[in-house]
Amino acid sequence: TQLLEQSPQFLSIQEGENLTVYCNSSSVFSSLQWYRQEPGEGPVLLVTVVTGGEVKKLKRLTFQFGDARKDSSLHITAAQPGDTGLYLCAGDISGGYNKLIFGAGTRLAVHP
Amino acid sequence: SQTIHQWPATLVQPVGSPLSLECTVEGTSNPNLYWYRQAAGRGLQLLFYSVGIGQISSEVPQNLSASRPQDRQFILSSKKLLLSDSGFYLCAWSLGAENEKLFFGSGTQLSVL
Repeated sequence: TQLLEQSPQFLSIQEGENLTVYCNSSSVFSSLQWYRQEPGEGPVLLVTVVTGGEVKKLKRLTFQFGDARKDSSLHITAAQPGDTGLYLCAGDISGGYNKLIFGAGTRLAVHP
Repeated sequence: SQTIHQWPATLVQPVGSPLSLECTVEGTSNPNLYWYRQAAGRGLQLLFYSVGIGQISSEVPQNLSASRPQDRQFILSSKKLLLSDSGFYLCAWSLGAENEKLFFGSGTQLSVL
């Protein structure tokens, strides 16, 4: 079974702190996607990383895809209360047919 | 632009009753369609996956079934609900090509009592 393991499961920090969340697997993925979900809503895509070693930045968020394409990380600089939410990573297990499996997520709470 | 509609938003059903959740997509043709279930505060479990009309792939053995009677319509059903069927159900679509993102509906919170 191909699994995506996310850590930490929960993270509670103060506004202005930096943080990193991780998404790891023993399997190689053609790409990994990161989503953010608000309570009672569907997840919304933040970024897709495709190339091993790739780094993408989205304002204060930095996403990295591992060289071996088995893991990814999300780093948030100077977290804001608006960053609060459930962060999910997802990988395609269908060899390109876009059947995504999701990790269990990291629930982030940023306090003012 | 493309939109996805999922209803109802909230549903409370007794054990043993039937279920029908509907999802429709507008603004695109021949999308991949998905049903996911999410336990409280947790990740998403892929339940069903469809690449075309009448083509359904079941990902986990369960009490649920899915149908795709039209290109942009995806239905999740059960003949008799179990307590364990409670959860947040999400419909999603994608263009189906490699590395394409999923677009999610707003979800249905199902409580089986």
